[in-house]
Amino acid sequence: AQSVTQLGSHVSVSEGALVLLRCNYSSSVPPYLFWYVQYPNQGLQLLLKYTTGATLVKGINGFEAEFKKSETSFHLTKPSAHMSDAAEYFCAVRDVAAGNKLTFGGGTRVLVKP
Amino acid sequence: EAGVAQSPRYKIIEKRQSVAFWCNPISGHATLYWYQQILGQGPKLLIQFQNNGVVDDSQLPKDRFSAERLKGVDSTLKIQPAKLEDSAVYLCASSPQGLGGNTIYFGEGSWLTVV
Repeated sequence: AQSVTQLGSHVSVSEGALVLLRCNYSSSVPPYLFWYVQYPNQGLQLLLKYTTGATLVKGINGFEAEFKKSETSFHLTKPSAHMSDAAEYFCAVRDVAAGNKLTFGGGTRVLVKP
Repeated sequence: EAGVAQSPRYKIIEKRQSVAFWCNPISGHATLYWYQQILGQGPKLLIQFQNNGVVDDSQLPKDRFSAERLKGVDSTLKIQPAKLEDSAVYLCASSPQGLGGNTIYFGEGSWLTVV
């Protein structure tokens, strides 16, 4: 069964500093990988996804993530944090072998300090 | 393009009462999902429909939860009777049929508090 692990339930960064959110997954086949963001009292919004091809994926709001098959990782980064990046971030894996089920990690809440 | 619509947005009920949530997916999306998100946790899949057929309901507590997707469009999720631990956000999502790389789009959620 596929699973997703996000290291750190809370991350605090200073405005302008690097944001790094870690995600590791387990899957029996090469997966499709996603990062979603959730702002307070809102649903989930797609930041970026990896399907095939280039392993470095760029998303909205300056975020990017790199798929590393050897490390089974899909870490999310942003070079310079902005106050508006304060939200909860979820990594998810979609396994075609499991009926295209989307499985989420536990989430990482990002706090941005001025 | 209209997104995934859900209602009601907020609901407070007493334990042992019943509640129903409604979802209208993005037009043309064959796959519809219901997720439960408990505060501080990631969303958990309750049930997945492909058109009007159930693909996965392995984590749906069938003694109290039920869901249907008549005519392969709108869907309703019902809880009867509700327990305190059912307090959560219920997220509906939809995606086009086909490849696993397709994006799954989420609604804003229905927030349930059971007291």
